[in-house]
Amino acid sequence: GAGVSQSPSNKVTEKGKDVELRCDPISGHTALYWYRQSLGQGLEFLIYFQGNSAPDKSGLPSDRFSAERTGGSVSTLTIQRTQQEDSAVYLCASSPQTSGGNEQFFGPGTRLTVL
Amino acid sequence: KQEVTQIPAALSVPEGENLVLNCSFTDSAIYNLQWFRQDPGKGLTSLLLIQSSQREQTSGRLNASLDKSSGRSTLYIAASQPGDSATYLCAVRWDDMRFGAGTRLTVKP
Repeated sequence: GAGVSQSPSNKVTEKGKDVELRCDPISGHTALYWYRQSLGQGLEFLIYFQGNSAPDKSGLPSDRFSAERTGGSVSTLTIQRTQQEDSAVYLCASSPQTSGGNEQFFGPGTRLTVL
Repeated sequence: KQEVTQIPAALSVPEGENLVLNCSFTDSAIYNLQWFRQDPGKGLTSLLLIQSSQREQTSGRLNASLDKSSGRSTLYIAASQPGDSATYLCAVRWDDMRFGAGTRLTVKP
């Protein structure tokens, strides 16, 4: 079956513009995660969803970042008024549930460049 | 504080060698530990997942061990090949998932 997909694969935007990143999880996976990887940095957890609700938003770096998930499937990560430090690869992952024991499957990522 | 550390940061070996990558973590109350491979410009590929109740997992030439009491995991790669060259990430799942900084492996032909 299809894996996790993300779009766009690359996004170049100007400072101050808003961007939306999309994640399509594996069908049937109830848990969805967003991470980002800045150049030369490790992976940073942003937010996770169980179904359509987000119990843990603690990783969102600022109030310019928001995420939603509809229908327990597709999720969008929105960054408002983008800054150059937002440039990173944004990765999405899904797993069957968030009970802790389940493997996460990652998408290919969206490379965001803010000029 | 829950942290994951990987040593070494980079490793270069000749083809055919067996090698070990190390991962250590604080707080032994983990749900699971997962090893990933990341190729340049690409997303993560899951290699092995070890549940907290398990001691090791094997897949092909890869073997991962877990010792929760000492807060350590190792990824053993047998008979390394140039195609194994990549960054290997260790991720530990507590209430959220935390990643090590990775080990960049280069296998020379």
